[in-house]
Amino acid sequence: AQSVTQLDSQVPVFEEAPVELRCNYSSSVSVYLFWYVQYPNQGLQLLLKYLSGSTLVKGINGFEAEFNKSQTSFHLRKPSVHISDTAEYFCAVIPNSGYSTLTFGKGTMLLVSP
Amino acid sequence: NAGVTQTPKFRVLKTGQSMTLLCAQDMNHEYMYWYRQDPGMGLRLIHYSVGEGTTAKGEVPDGYNVSRLKKQNFLLGLESAAPSQTSVYFCASSYSTWVETQYFGPGTRLLVL
Repeated sequence: AQSVTQLDSQVPVFEEAPVELRCNYSSSVSVYLFWYVQYPNQGLQLLLKYLSGSTLVKGINGFEAEFNKSQTSFHLRKPSVHISDTAEYFCAVIPNSGYSTLTFGKGTMLLVSP
Repeated sequence: NAGVTQTPKFRVLKTGQSMTLLCAQDMNHEYMYWYRQDPGMGLRLIHYSVGEGTTAKGEVPDGYNVSRLKKQNFLLGLESAAPSQTSVYFCASSYSTWVETQYFGPGTRLLVL
């Protein structure tokens, strides 16, 4: 079975500062990786996903993530955050072989202040 | 397109009462899912469906039942509500496989007293 660890439950940052949200996973097989965002009082929406190819994945709203197989990580980054990026961010993983379900991490709350 | 809609948005139940949560999608998606979200727990899969007439258990299925009689609808039932089922429930759908983007509804907030 696979698992996801989001190392920080909350990340406070000032507006226009860079941010990195960390995600590590555990799996005995190769995986696909996702980042979803949940704005206050809304459902989740996809930010980006890694299926294959380039390990640097660009998503919506200026976010990007890098897949590092040796470190089993998929950290999310943004060079300059806005107040509107305040939200909860979820990393998710699914094995790319066989049948399984999507496993979500527990989430990281990004708090952007002026 | 309305996307994924959920009914109701908020509900208060007494222990032992039953209710059904309705999820509807207008994107012709094959896969549909029910998750629950609890503080510090992330999202946990309750049940899912890979097509009309099919359902399967997820990570936390106990105390819930589901039905997918029509492709566009996925119902989640609580036969005898318990305080431990107080949560926010999200429905999602995707076009086909698990690696496709999941589209989420706005959620149903359930309080069981």
